[in-house]
Amino acid sequence: EVQLVESGGGLVQPGGSLRLSCEVSGFSVNMFVMTWVRQAPGKGLEWISGISSSGVSTYYADSVKGRFTVSRDISINTLYLQMNSLTADDTAIYYCARRSKFASGASLDYWGQGIPVTVSS
Amino acid sequence: DFVLTQSPVSLPVTPGEPASISCRSSQSLLHSNGYNYLHWYLQKPGQSPQLLIYLGSSRASGVPDRFSASGSGTDFTLKIARVEAEDVGVYYCMQGLESPITFGQGTRLEIK
Repeated sequence: EVQLVESGGGLVQPGGSLRLSCEVSGFSVNMFVMTWVRQAPGKGLEWISGISSSGVSTYYADSVKGRFTVSRDISINTLYLQMNSLTADDTAIYYCARRSKFASGASLDYWGQGIPVTVSS
Repeated sequence: DFVLTQSPVSLPVTPGEPASISCRSSQSLLHSNGYNYLHWYLQKPGQSPQLLIYLGSSRASGVPDRFSASGSGTDFTLKIARVEAEDVGVYYCMQGLESPITFGQGTRLEIK
């Protein structure tokens, strides 16, 4: 059974840092593109980051570029999102999601339950 | 970036009645392989988004057949043949053709 479980969220002060984790089971993170999507309170879905199956390429939305870093640890099948220089605009629920192969649609076919991040003083 | 525009924003529906949601893309989502890289999600209250439809018209595993979708290029439609109470939530379209992935703004379906 495929499962993605996020952790590491919480309350952080403006300018602070946080590292989110996404523990994956049921497949290997080095076989798929993995992504992070966030949802601000009462708002829609925003893709913010991705990492290729090889781990060589990483991708970021302009809103987080230069502040967030995506990585993974294949040995423990876990995806990470290091978030620095946080602002109130980063307050959201953060989801990790698996991206299906391009031939299968490149959809986000499995999602974690989400983890809230609140940036406030 | 590909901009996806959904309509309506809010959709009140009587149980048992049909419902339809539109998603328009600023650029064609039709790949040279013949598939449209447009997907539909439902986010039920308090839950993560769940994949309903992929590649424009293919139902994801476990999705009831009252859900169907069609369209090509820039215009797509999600239809629910007979709305049930469990269909309440926000529906999103998403394009997977080009990076960055983008989503429509969402359509909130509510029961009358």
